[in-house]
Amino acid sequence: DVKVTQSSRYLVKRTGEKVFLECVQDMDHENMFWYRQDPGLGLRLIYFSYDVKMKEKGDIPEGYSVSREKKERFSLILESASTNQTSMYLCASSLRRIYNQPQHFGDGTRLSIL
Amino acid sequence: AQRVTQPEKLLSVFKGAPVELKCNYSYSGSPELFWYVQYSRQRLQLLLRHISRESIKGFTADLNKGETSFHLKKPFAQEEDSAMYYCALSGQRGAAGNKLTFGGGTRVLVKP
Repeated sequence: DVKVTQSSRYLVKRTGEKVFLECVQDMDHENMFWYRQDPGLGLRLIYFSYDVKMKEKGDIPEGYSVSREKKERFSLILESASTNQTSMYLCASSLRRIYNQPQHFGDGTRLSIL
Repeated sequence: AQRVTQPEKLLSVFKGAPVELKCNYSYSGSPELFWYVQYSRQRLQLLLRHISRESIKGFTADLNKGETSFHLKKPFAQEEDSAMYYCALSGQRGAAGNKLTFGGGTRVLVKP
């Protein structure tokens, strides 16, 4: 069974702080994704990575960066946290194939920026 | 640009009644469509995908390219179907095609 683990379930940070959200998957998946989930807006893709050191911007990358130094780990970085980045953050992973493969999600990190 | 619209934020039905969750998409090519579900206190997970053409937990969904829709249906709703449902679209092939565009979600409440 695929396991996607996010390092924190709840996180509280202050405006201007640099925030790191970590995600690890154990199924050797090539693809990894970071989304934010907001009521009424669904899931919006922030960044994704289809291989080590490879990354592509999603729909809302502003204010975020990512790092993928190892295949199993994908980090989301809030360079200078702001209150409008308060949200639920979901990490996911999937196999990379010609046709879209199911994405496997973590439990999420609820981030509050004060 | 690709877009997914779920017009209903909340659907409330009685147990045993039919339920239909609407999903409309905007994409000029041949899309792949999915339904994901999140039950209370559980992770978001895949429910079904249109290329599989299968029924999962009694749910079916048909891709209608003419109407650009992918509505999710179940003839007899059960209380355990209460959850948040997301429609999602993948519009490309190759590495970039592995990413999804999600709709805003529909919360389903099945009353006893």
